[in-house]
Amino acid sequence: ELKVEQNPLFLSMQEGKNYTIYCNYSTTSDRLYWYRQDPGKSLESLFVLLSNGAVKQEGRLMASLDTKARLSTLHITAAVHDLSATYFCAVGSNYQLIWGAGTKLIIKP
Amino acid sequence: DVKVTQSSRYLVKRTGEKVFLECVQDMDHENMFWYRQDPGLGLRLIYFSYDVKMKEKGDIPEGYSVSREKKERFSLILESASTNQTSMYLCASSSSTSPGTGGHNQPQHFGDGTRLSIL
Repeated sequence: ELKVEQNPLFLSMQEGKNYTIYCNYSTTSDRLYWYRQDPGKSLESLFVLLSNGAVKQEGRLMASLDTKARLSTLHITAAVHDLSATYFCAVGSNYQLIWGAGTKLIIKP
Repeated sequence: DVKVTQSSRYLVKRTGEKVFLECVQDMDHENMFWYRQDPGLGLRLIYFSYDVKMKEKGDIPEGYSVSREKKERFSLILESASTNQTSMYLCASSSSTSPGTGGHNQPQHFGDGTRLSIL
C-alpha cells in the first residue's frame, strides 16, 4: 500500500528565510505532484515531477524528485508573506493520487 | 483554463436526507474524482470515474454513491446523510495523456469545494 508522508506538518518562518518541505513515499511511482491551498480555497497545481532528478522552479519555489530515495522536496527561497498557504504533495498510483497530510506554512513579516 | 464547477459552495442538510453534490468540468477530461477534506486528515478519495458510466471505489466509499451519465458531469450522492459526513467535499478532473492506455501524468484540477454541514 502506497503511503505518503510530509514533514513538517506545520512551519512558521520569517520573511527572507529559506526552508524545505519533505515528501516521502513508500513504494515506487512514476509521478509526483505539488499543490497549494489557500485558506477557504481549493487546490492549485504547482508542479508535476515525472522522472528521477526532475527539478522544476516557479518564482521562489523549487521542487525536485529523487525516485531512488522516494523523496521529493519543495524548497522555498527568501520567503515572502504571499507564500503562506498549505502545501500538499501527492503521488500517482494507477488512476489515483495518494496525498500527504499537507504542510501549513505561515510566513511572518 | 480548466474549469471545474461545483454546484454549491455551502450546503446545510439534515440527518437522513439524501444529498446530491454536482460537479461539472469543461475540458473534456476522462477522469473525475470526489474527495473529502477534513482537518488533519488531508484529502481522502471517495470515488473516481475514468469514463462515462464507469466508477471505482476510493478509500472511503461507505455511505456514498456516484453517478456519471455524461462525460462532463460527476455526481456524489449521500444516500442517508449522517453527522459524520459533515466535511469539505472537493471534485477534481484530469485528462489521460495517452487515451486508451491509461496514462495519467496530467495533474488533477479542482473545483472550489462544497462545505457540507449535516445537522
